[in-house]
Amino acid sequence: GAVVSQHPSRVICKSGTSVKIECRSLDFQATTMFWYRQFPKKSLMLMATSNEGSKATYEQGVEKDKFLINHASLTLSTLTVTSAHPEDSSFYICSARGTDEKLFFGSGTQLSVL
Amino acid sequence: DAKTTQPNSMESNEEEPVHLPCNHSTISGTDYIHWYRQLPSQGPEYVIHGLTSNVNNRMASLAIAEDRKSSTLILHRATLRDAAVYYCILRDDDWGKLQFGAGTQVVVTP
Repeated sequence: GAVVSQHPSRVICKSGTSVKIECRSLDFQATTMFWYRQFPKKSLMLMATSNEGSKATYEQGVEKDKFLINHASLTLSTLTVTSAHPEDSSFYICSARGTDEKLFFGSGTQLSVL
Repeated sequence: DAKTTQPNSMESNEEEPVHLPCNHSTISGTDYIHWYRQLPSQGPEYVIHGLTSNVNNRMASLAIAEDRKSSTLILHRATLRDAAVYYCILRDDDWGKLQFGAGTQVVVTP
């Protein structure tokens, strides 16, 4: 099946620094990718929809200047958490839309901001 | 967006079937019914999807009510590896937002 690779799987950073998370579709082209965040024991919350070659569409309440999304190629989307603070600590998950109506998910990135 | 309602949790014994219900009374005619599951500390994985007819694959079966206002995911023989949160999601034909609900936590006991 299709594979989505997400990196890093875990990152710890100091407050005020920026962190970049990469999401790659390894064996298929993904014109659309989605970014989610998930708090412990909670469901996934859609943050934004990333379309190759155009600006991302953010969900209401998600700060676009805080969570920068770049989808410069058909196989790579990145999420940068800028000036991270402890409240940004969360599990971030990307997904890519396949050609057979399925979503393929990365394994997630656990971000801890100290 | 059409929403889904699922029980918070379900328990099953190993090797027995599990029937996971999902209500989606406001489903539109173009909404596909998707099921994903998430194991602890992992991203979700695709289980099955359908539009109107019942569907079977190697992981599960999906039974869709005739009026499409509800569906049931069937795990035929639960294993310990099936312990996960199962999400029932509606996806529109234009690939709009894919919003996850609370899901059902499946507990499988040996």
